[in-house]
Amino acid sequence: DGGITQSPKYLFRKEGQNVTLSCEQNLNHDAMYWYRQDPGQGLRLIYYSQIVNDFQKGDIAEGYSVSREKKESFPLTVTSAQKNPTAFYLCASSIRRTGTYNEQFFGPGTRLTVL
Amino acid sequence: AQSVTQLDSQVPVFEEAPVELRCNYSSSVSVYLFWYVQYPNQGLQLLLKYLSGSTLVKGINGFEAEFNKSQTSFHLRKPSVHISDTAEYFCAVSESVTGGGNKLTFGTGTQLKVEL
Repeated sequence: DGGITQSPKYLFRKEGQNVTLSCEQNLNHDAMYWYRQDPGQGLRLIYYSQIVNDFQKGDIAEGYSVSREKKESFPLTVTSAQKNPTAFYLCASSIRRTGTYNEQFFGPGTRLTVL
Repeated sequence: AQSVTQLDSQVPVFEEAPVELRCNYSSSVSVYLFWYVQYPNQGLQLLLKYLSGSTLVKGINGFEAEFNKSQTSFHLRKPSVHISDTAEYFCAVSESVTGGGNKLTFGTGTQLKVEL
């Protein structure tokens, strides 16, 4: 089955620790995205990548880092610099065509809780 | 910059009643508009999208939405809801980014609660 997997589903972290969230897709999509979801705030874009070895900051990149070494993988690291990391994190991917819309497909999400 | 406003944070409705979830957008360019549904602790599923053409868009699960350019609205409707429609609904607008990708800007979401 083609799709996007995120692991783990639930993640607990002690304050001051870095943690990495996994996102893998087998849809052969070029573009991948990370969103953060907080109650009452909708989804906000953290980082996105349109091609291997390239990525851009979204609206709330501070305290996060990403890498894109492989087409199918786009891990997100939540660093200790992120002041309020407890949230639901969603990964998405899409094909990449210029001049038109490219539908984003979402993974099941990872809920991160900082203790 | 584009923005999306969902006017209602919660909408309670009885089963088999009609429902409308409101969405207004702000954009200076042509837009692509979307409605997504999210069930508890799950990812987002696309309900429907407006890219161009007919302003009345039909989606999955009996939902439809109407694009109104003059009112900058994209309200979601269903003539008769079911208990299983209880979920959070997000309106979103897309803008192109350099290199061919798309950036989605989401509204804050509307929690639809269907009651017996």
